[in-house]
Amino acid sequence: DSGVTQTPKHLITATGQRVTLRCSPRSGDLSVYWYQQSLDQGLQFLIQYYNGEERAKGNILERFSAQQFPDLHSELNLSSLELGDSALYFCASSSSGQGSGNTIYFGEGSWLTVV
Amino acid sequence: GNSVTQMEGPVTLSEEAFLTINCTYTATGYLSLFWYVQYPGEGLQLLLKATKADDKGSNKGFEATYRKETTSFHLEKGSVQVSDSAVYFCALNSYGQNFVFGPGTRLSVLP
Repeated sequence: DSGVTQTPKHLITATGQRVTLRCSPRSGDLSVYWYQQSLDQGLQFLIQYYNGEERAKGNILERFSAQQFPDLHSELNLSSLELGDSALYFCASSSSGQGSGNTIYFGEGSWLTVV
Repeated sequence: GNSVTQMEGPVTLSEEAFLTINCTYTATGYLSLFWYVQYPGEGLQLLLKATKADDKGSNKGFEATYRKETTSFHLEKGSVQVSDSAVYFCALNSYGQNFVFGPGTRLSVLP
């Protein structure tokens, strides 16, 4: 158990809908990262937050947004969903921002299926 | 920018065979190198890491040495088991930069 908690574990929704994925980082971790993993694909970095502020942005679509709250949990909002958004979405956390040696720890992921 | 290259596989081995998964990188500055493992239906778990040149990370019989001269961090295990079947990701981190992951290598170990 990494200590990173993600909900829901599985989600099925229709095209055009909006969903919210939730992440609680490890106790004491200030950074939260979101990744997308499509079937047989590698990890696509979406976005990072550090202590409530956006720190880095990757290949995140405009239809997607995220935020980190004062209690450090984070939410990833996916809207106007398309079939191609079906994927495994991972949250990860680390104690610091971008220092060398910084280790990130992954949650179990949220499986999103868009039908 | 930083990048990681690893053999994409799939790699299929018989139980008790020797495993090597190659990983090379392009990056500058102070680096840390990592191997993560993803078992079927699970998230990524940290397998081992090395935070300076010539460091060897080890865990669960797996080893990898951070070789600055060859910009490599190859993963090895002397005798694989069926339970080692998973996807293995090489990754690096440097100061001021985000984590960079390789594409992953799928390993299947047959009894």
